[in-house]
Amino acid sequence: LAKTTQPISMDSYEGQEVNITCSHNNIATNDYITWYQQFPSQGPRFIIQGYKTKVTNEVASLFIPADRKSSTLSLPRVSLSDTAVYYCLVLRYNQGGKLIFGQGTELSVKP
Amino acid sequence: SQTIHQWPATLVQPVGSPLSLECTVEGTSNPNLYWYRQAAGRGLQLLFYSVGIGQISSEVPQNLSASRPQDRQFILSSKKLLLSDSGFYLCACPTRRGTVDEQFFGPGTRLTVL
Repeated sequence: LAKTTQPISMDSYEGQEVNITCSHNNIATNDYITWYQQFPSQGPRFIIQGYKTKVTNEVASLFIPADRKSSTLSLPRVSLSDTAVYYCLVLRYNQGGKLIFGQGTELSVKP
Repeated sequence: SQTIHQWPATLVQPVGSPLSLECTVEGTSNPNLYWYRQAAGRGLQLLFYSVGIGQISSEVPQNLSASRPQDRQFILSSKKLLLSDSGFYLCACPTRRGTVDEQFFGPGTRLTVL
C-alpha cells in the first residue's frame, strides 16, 4: 500500500479553517483515502473517505486532485475540541480493515 | 450499530507477569477482529487479526499471542511481559456503511509494564 506523508504538527485558532495535506505518491488505482481522528486515550474515529474529487460530510471535506497523489482534509471553523491527531491512510478496496497508520498530524487549536 | 467492549481499561503489571486482555463485540456477527498497539502516543501498529473462530494471523513477531475462542471474543495474551509491551491496546472491527469502509475501534486498554 502507498506510504503517506503528512505534517507532524499544525497550530490553528478557533473559528479558522484548517487544511491538512497528505501525500501518497504511490497510490494505486484500487486504493482509496481515509482520514481518522484520535483524541488522547481514545481509539481513532473515522472522519471521511474518498476516491477522487471532493467528498463532504457533516464533519469535514476531503479534496483529492485528479492525479490522486495527495489529498487535503479540510475542517471548517475549528473549535478547541478539534484538537487531536489526524491520520491519513490509503486503503485497498475489499482488503478488509488492516490499517497502516503513520505518525499523523497533531493539530492544536488555540483560543 | 456495533459496540466494542474492552477490559480492563487500565492495567499495571510487573515485568515477567502474564497478560490477558479481552475484547468483545456486540451488534454484528462473524466479524473480522483486529488488535492494534499504540506506543508513545502516536502511530498505531497492527498486531493480530482474525477472520473467524480459531483463526489468527500475526502481523509482527513479538512477545504476544491472540486467540478467538468465540465469534465475538478476541483475546490478547502474553506469558511473560516485557517493558516494551507497555502501550495502548485497541481492538477494532471493520464495518461498511453504504460505500464507506470504516474501522470501528474500542475504548482501549492502557497497559503499563514496570
